Amino acid sequence: EVQLQQSGAELVKPGASVKLSCKTSGYTFSNYYMSWLKQMPGQNIEWIGNIYGGNGGTGYNQKFKGKATLTVDKSSSTAYMDLSSLTSEDSAVYFCALTTVATFAYWGQGTLVTVSS
Amino acid sequence: DIQMTQSPASLSASLGETVTIECRASEDIYNGLAWYQQKPGKSPQLLIYNANSLHTGVPSRFSGSGSGTQYSLKINSLQSEDVASYFCQQYYDYPWTFGGGTKLELK
Repeated sequence: EVQLQQSGAELVKPGASVKLSCKTSGYTFSNYYMSWLKQMPGQNIEWIGNIYGGNGGTGYNQKFKGKATLTVDKSSSTAYMDLSSLTSEDSAVYFCALTTVATFAYWGQGTLVTVSS
Repeated sequence: DIQMTQSPASLSASLGETVTIECRASEDIYNGLAWYQQKPGKSPQLLIYNANSLHTGVPSRFSGSGSGTQYSLKINSLQSEDVASYFCQQYYDYPWTFGGGTKLELK
C-alpha cells in the first residue's frame, strides 16, 4: 500500500524558513516523481514543482522559483521541501503527491504552515 | 500558463440525481486532464485521468468526457459520500494548473 506521511503543522515567523518532509512507503521511491502542491484556505490548488526520486532532478513552477527548494533522501525514501523568506502569503496547506503520468495518484495528508509573528 | 475555468462554482443536488461539472481550458490540452475529489479537511483523491480513464478503485458512477478545451465530469446516481469539492487539472503543459473547484452539496 502506497503511503505518504507528511511532517506536522508549523508556526513560523515572517522572514524565516521551514523544511517540510514527506516520508514514503509501499512503492519504489527512485522510480517516480514526487510533486509538491499548495492550497490556501478555501482556494485553488497550485502545483509548486516536482522531483525525481532516482536522481533528484527537479522541475519548478516559475511562480515558486526562489521560494521552494525540493530535495530527496533516497536512503530513507523521503522527499523534502524548503520554503524560504516566508510571508503571510505562504500560509497554506502543503501536500506532497506521488506523480504518475503527470497526475497526482497518491497524496500525503498535508502540512499546515502558518506564518505569523 | 493554461487557465482552467470550472463551472459551476457550487452545486446542490439530490440523492440519486445525475450531476455534471464542466471544465474549460484556455487552449487545447489534448485530453491531458484529470479530475480530483476533495472532502473537507482531507487531501484530494484522483478520480479520472486522460480525460476519461477511471483511476483504480473509483466507483463506476464517475465518468469523464470531453476533448479540445471542453471537459466534463459526470456523477450518476449521486450518493451521500460524493459530497465534496471537485477540481480539474491540466497536465498538457507546464506549469500544471487546476480549476477553481466545484463544491457539491446535497439538496
